[in-house]
Amino acid sequence: GENVEQHPSTLSVQEGDSAVIKCTYSDSASNYFPWYKQELGKGPQLIIDIRSNVGEKKDQRIAVTLNKTAKHFSLHITETQPEDSAVYFCAAKPLATGRRALTFGSGTRLQVQP
Amino acid sequence: NAGVTQTPKFRVLKTGQSMTLLCAQDMNHEYMYWYRQDPGMGLRLIHYSVGEGTTAKGEVPDGYNVSRLKKQNFLLGLESAAPSQTSVYFCASSYDRGGGPAPFTDTQYFGPGTRLTVL
Repeated sequence: GENVEQHPSTLSVQEGDSAVIKCTYSDSASNYFPWYKQELGKGPQLIIDIRSNVGEKKDQRIAVTLNKTAKHFSLHITETQPEDSAVYFCAAKPLATGRRALTFGSGTRLQVQP
Repeated sequence: NAGVTQTPKFRVLKTGQSMTLLCAQDMNHEYMYWYRQDPGMGLRLIHYSVGEGTTAKGEVPDGYNVSRLKKQNFLLGLESAAPSQTSVYFCASSYDRGGGPAPFTDTQYFGPGTRLTVL
């Protein structure tokens, strides 16, 4: 099955700096790659996603890039703010017929220092 | 819309006790999922359902059972709880065929979680 690895496990940046989180996946048939943000005591919430027919997608301060050849994708947060502090998860979706479940990475705890 | 709700929010069990976690969604989603979240391991899929009356095993199904008798509800049962089942449990839903409040999408919407401790 699919295996998703995520790095780093923790990341501390100064307010205003950029943050980059990287994920690799194993199943070349995966075609959907979402990123979720989880704040303390809450469930994960989708912040951005990308499909395999697109190399990059941007939404204000957040961007995601995908390299299908190398099987890795990254989350980029620019001009970080204290409210960006949270745990971020990447995920990948296999193409198994009838199954729409995601395989998640182990998470990155981002701390933005004011 | 309330989105995805979970009951209860917290629970403490003794080894061997049983309980049922309830997940409800009001987005007309076809698919529903149960995940568990443990430190350093991300979210792991326990069971999922692709429609009313259907269930399937995920990555870590042992010790759990599920039922989807109604489209909007997905129940997770622990018949004989073990300390290894201490975790935070999240329910999620996705895939609106149309006619509901959310468009067709792969996006999974998560509930707030249930923190379960087994002593």
